[in-house]
Amino acid sequence: SQQGEEDPQALSIQEGENATMNCSYKTSINNLQWYRQNSGRGLVHLILIRSNEREKHSGRLRVTLDTSKKSSSLLITASRAADTASYFCATQGGSEKLVFGKGTKLTVNP
Amino acid sequence: NAGVTQTPKFQVLKTGQSMTLQCAQDMNHNSMYWYRQDPGMGLRLIYYSASEGTTDKGEVPNGYNVSRLNKREFSLRLESAAPSQTSVYFCASSPGGDRLPRRYGYTFGSGTRLTVV
Repeated sequence: SQQGEEDPQALSIQEGENATMNCSYKTSINNLQWYRQNSGRGLVHLILIRSNEREKHSGRLRVTLDTSKKSSSLLITASRAADTASYFCATQGGSEKLVFGKGTKLTVNP
Repeated sequence: NAGVTQTPKFQVLKTGQSMTLQCAQDMNHNSMYWYRQDPGMGLRLIYYSASEGTTDKGEVPNGYNVSRLNKREFSLRLESAAPSQTSVYFCASSPGGDRLPRRYGYTFGSGTRLTVV
């Protein structure tokens, strides 16, 4: 069964706007990761946030983690058409296994 | 570096046929994984290999077998393909080991699109 659930399932915004995606999960985690998948391609790792961290930045990406609510958010600032992709959260517990959510499909309109 | 290489990229099988999906990584990673991706289902783990010489079942192992041939290569075999196995298959690798906290994400291959008719 999926561990993470992204929300919304689909998001359409204009270039330059910010995009926020949320992820909720069910059990305790070691870390939470976000991946991007362009249409017809493999997944690309974006960012990893550990369970003892609350916020992390990487370029235009900002990830927050609230372990008390078992939730995370991914913010993409000043979005570009090239950010159009599906975004997945994935959780990792005590083993190496990653458990993925079903993804958010982001469309950035020029 | 090539990263994770999967072959073939596309394949059409008839029901009952067998085939092996190949995966190789050149990053000296310990752990390797096979996922399948179906529309609306996200990625589901089929099998994984935490280290050379070990393999374990994931969420959806039925109908599949795996072989960790060496540290670089991890193959997925469908012994008797069924239409329900029509999917996109992704291989991934990670540094692995028992070191905590984990610091690195997975590196994915570009996928194999399999159709079983």
